[in-house]
Amino acid sequence: DVKVTQSSRYLVKRTGEKVFLECVQDMDHENMFWYRQDPGLGLRLIYFSYDVKMKEKGDIPEGYSVSREKKERFSLILESASTNQTSMYLCASTLGYYGYTFGSGTRLTVV
Amino acid sequence: QKEVEQNSGPLSVPEGAIASLNCTYSDRGSQSFFWYRQYSGKSPELIMSIYSNGDKEDGRFTAQLNKASQYVSLLIRDSQPSDSATYLCAVIKASGSRLTFGEGTQLTVNP
Repeated sequence: DVKVTQSSRYLVKRTGEKVFLECVQDMDHENMFWYRQDPGLGLRLIYFSYDVKMKEKGDIPEGYSVSREKKERFSLILESASTNQTSMYLCASTLGYYGYTFGSGTRLTVV
Repeated sequence: QKEVEQNSGPLSVPEGAIASLNCTYSDRGSQSFFWYRQYSGKSPELIMSIYSNGDKEDGRFTAQLNKASQYVSLLIRDSQPSDSATYLCAVIKASGSRLTFGEGTQLTVNP
């Protein structure tokens, strides 16, 4: 089975901090995604990547950036954390047009 | 119009009943359709995928796709309390591999 591993289950950060969320998949998938999930708003796509060093903006990229230096690793960066970025962050990967496999999620609280 | 819409919940059914979850999508060229189950505090888990018109059965789950009506459904037969979760409909549009999610329907199965 594909495993998608997110480095932290829970994180608490201060406003203005630079935050790194790491995601690693072990099945050589080309496509990787970062979502955030908020009550009443569902899953919203932040950024995605189809290949190494390639990135595309999703629906809500403001305040975020990403890095994909290796195929298996896709990092989400909050340049200057704000309280409205408190959320559940979900990483996913897929091969082609098949369903995603999600990581276990990182619940980030910005205080 | 939302790209993927699900019937508003929450939905409550007695144990042993059939639960019916519905989803419509706006992009007529959409190719791939998925149902995810998400338990509270957990990440989404893929339970069904369907790519062509008709029914697809997997155990107690049946996915139905009607591309002409732009409609996808999930039937859960012999519902169990362990089926209580939020069910997310997701669609891959005509181009690319990014998933667009509905907001989800919360299902409660009462013993």
